[in-house]
Amino acid sequence: GQSLEQPSEVTAVEGAIVQINCTYQTSGFYGLSWYQQHDGGAPTFLSYNALDGLEETGRFSSFLSRSDSYGYLLLQELQMKDSASYFCAVRDSGYSTLTFGKGTMLLVSP
Amino acid sequence: EAQVTQNPRYLITVTGKKLTVTCSQNMNHEYMSWYRQDPGLGLRQIYYSMNVEVTDKGDVPEGYKVSRKEKRNFPLILESPSPNQTSLYFCASSPQQHTEAFFGQGTRLTVV
Repeated sequence: GQSLEQPSEVTAVEGAIVQINCTYQTSGFYGLSWYQQHDGGAPTFLSYNALDGLEETGRFSSFLSRSDSYGYLLLQELQMKDSASYFCAVRDSGYSTLTFGKGTMLLVSP
Repeated sequence: EAQVTQNPRYLITVTGKKLTVTCSQNMNHEYMSWYRQDPGLGLRQIYYSMNVEVTDKGDVPEGYKVSRKEKRNFPLILESPSPNQTSLYFCASSPQQHTEAFFGQGTRLTVV
């Protein structure tokens, strides 16, 4: 089976930097993804890491360490609109299910 | 516009009355899947399909059926809905490389 652990809630202020961690246990590993979901809306894709290292996309970056079964999402220059739930997800092979963590609710305050 | 379309967006039904939630994608993706989302439990996969006529169970398949007769459509069928199937449902599609999943807008189902 697969399991993912991420914090349930993180709070920060506008303009700050926040890091959301994700640790996983899988029988195989095909990549770690991050998704954003605003309340009641559809999850939207943010990033994907298949190899170790940092991937940067604008204000968002994602990091993966396969040896540590660990990744994180880094959000910089936080804005109020970044208040949302963030999910990490893994696939343990090329043709298997995509398993999501329970999500981290990020609250950004003025 | 590339999208995944689910219908209906909201549905209230009674226990035991068969229902179908439709899902259609216009991106020619091979891979499609259904998830349910419940408070505190995140997104859990119900069924997935790797291509036409190929479907498989996810983590919580009990009480659900799916079919994949065409590449673009992947309906979710509840033959005899029960109150514990009250949930927010999402359909998603991915290209074969699986690097990104595209989600529909969700269907909020209430079974009374």
